[in-house]
Amino acid sequence: DAMVIQNPRYQVTQFGKPVTLSCSQTLNHNVMYWYQQKSSQAPKLLFHYYDKDFNNEADTPDNFQSRRPNTSFCFLDIRSPGLGDAAMYLCATSSETGGTDTQYFGPGTRLTVL
Amino acid sequence: GQNIDQPTEMTATEGAIVQINCTYQTSGFNGLFWYQQHAGEAPTFLSYNVLDGLEEKGRFSSFLSRSKGYSYLLLKELQMKDSASYLCAVTDSNYQLIWGAGTKLIIKP
Repeated sequence: DAMVIQNPRYQVTQFGKPVTLSCSQTLNHNVMYWYQQKSSQAPKLLFHYYDKDFNNEADTPDNFQSRRPNTSFCFLDIRSPGLGDAAMYLCATSSETGGTDTQYFGPGTRLTVL
Repeated sequence: GQNIDQPTEMTATEGAIVQINCTYQTSGFNGLFWYQQHAGEAPTFLSYNVLDGLEEKGRFSSFLSRSKGYSYLLLKELQMKDSASYLCAVTDSNYQLIWGAGTKLIIKP
């Protein structure tokens, strides 16, 4: 089955210790997104890629970086996690950008910062 | 500013019908999505409306009125597995997707 996969499902890190979250997709979609979602809040878009074109949201902190080495994989790097970065991180894909295409989400990675 | 309003929480009884409302104030409109999100899991797509009217899909229906900036998701014959959060999201004139915070639906036997 075509899908969006995120690893790990649960990640624990120390305050200030870099962490990388990964996402892969078998849908062959052009667009990949990273969202941050805190409890009972709307998903907050951090970045998206259209193919290799990177789009950073204006209010995404510099502490967050992303890489997309190929169509299938995308990584979220948090350089110095703070307590406020504890959240669910969702990866999503869509065929095209533009906000009218359905987004397909991975199961998410829940990040805990100690 | 851009805003999506949904009730924070609703409670309904198994077998009943529930309507979850969403009102939006955005810079333009290019479609409205409903997603279902079970606790601790990722959102899954339910429906997409871009024209006024009712779209029916099994037990779930979604309605849109663009002139009123209003949508609702109607769930019939509620089942315990329908306990989840329901997220409304609107595509604005810049084709950015604006998300609501979601409505937590609690189903009681």
